[in-house]
Amino acid sequence: NAGVTQTPKFQVLKTGQSMTLQCAQDMNHNSMYWYRQDPGMGLRLIYYSASEGTTDKGEVPNGYNVSRLNKREFSLRLESAAPSQTSVYFCASSGLNYGYTFGSGTRLTVV
Amino acid sequence: DQQVKQNSPSLSVQEGRISILNCDYTNSMFDYFLWYKKYPAEGPTFLISISSIKDKNEDGRFTVFLNKSAKHLSLHIVPSQPGDSAVYFCAVSAGNNRKLIWGLGTSLAVNP
Repeated sequence: NAGVTQTPKFQVLKTGQSMTLQCAQDMNHNSMYWYRQDPGMGLRLIYYSASEGTTDKGEVPNGYNVSRLNKREFSLRLESAAPSQTSVYFCASSGLNYGYTFGSGTRLTVV
Repeated sequence: DQQVKQNSPSLSVQEGRISILNCDYTNSMFDYFLWYKKYPAEGPTFLISISSIKDKNEDGRFTVFLNKSAKHLSLHIVPSQPGDSAVYFCAVSAGNNRKLIWGLGTSLAVNP
């Protein structure tokens, strides 16, 4: 099925470890996004990429980096994980209309 | 300061009755409004949308109403079903960058 694929689905990290969350879409969408969802905080934008080759900060970019590898793939990297980064992470993409398609999420725990 | 507010964190409704979820926004420049539904352990999924040139959009059991003068939109679900139990997010867009601004969500419980 067409859509947004995120890996991994679950991850436990120790404080200070690094990891990369992967995201790929097969809908030929130009724009891609990384969000985090925390209880009572809704969806907060970390970074987005309006098109291949461009990336911009969202509301909560500190502690994260991104790479728009090509039109399909947009990865999120935590260089030195902190307990405050324990969250559920969602990748999304959008095309010419305003509707976003979301991945199923990555549940990250930093201990 | 929140630009998109969903003032009710939760709502409980009996099966078969109407569910009304509300959303307020602050900026009259917002031009496109969307509702998403989210089940636990899944990503949000698009439900229904409306542009600022309309005041109503209907899709089956779901209707979105937009009151631009009050900067208010609402989602009506009629009749409500237990499978509608989920968190509903309101989102708005301003301009062409396709970036959405999200409310905090309302958790709807439809009781059999």
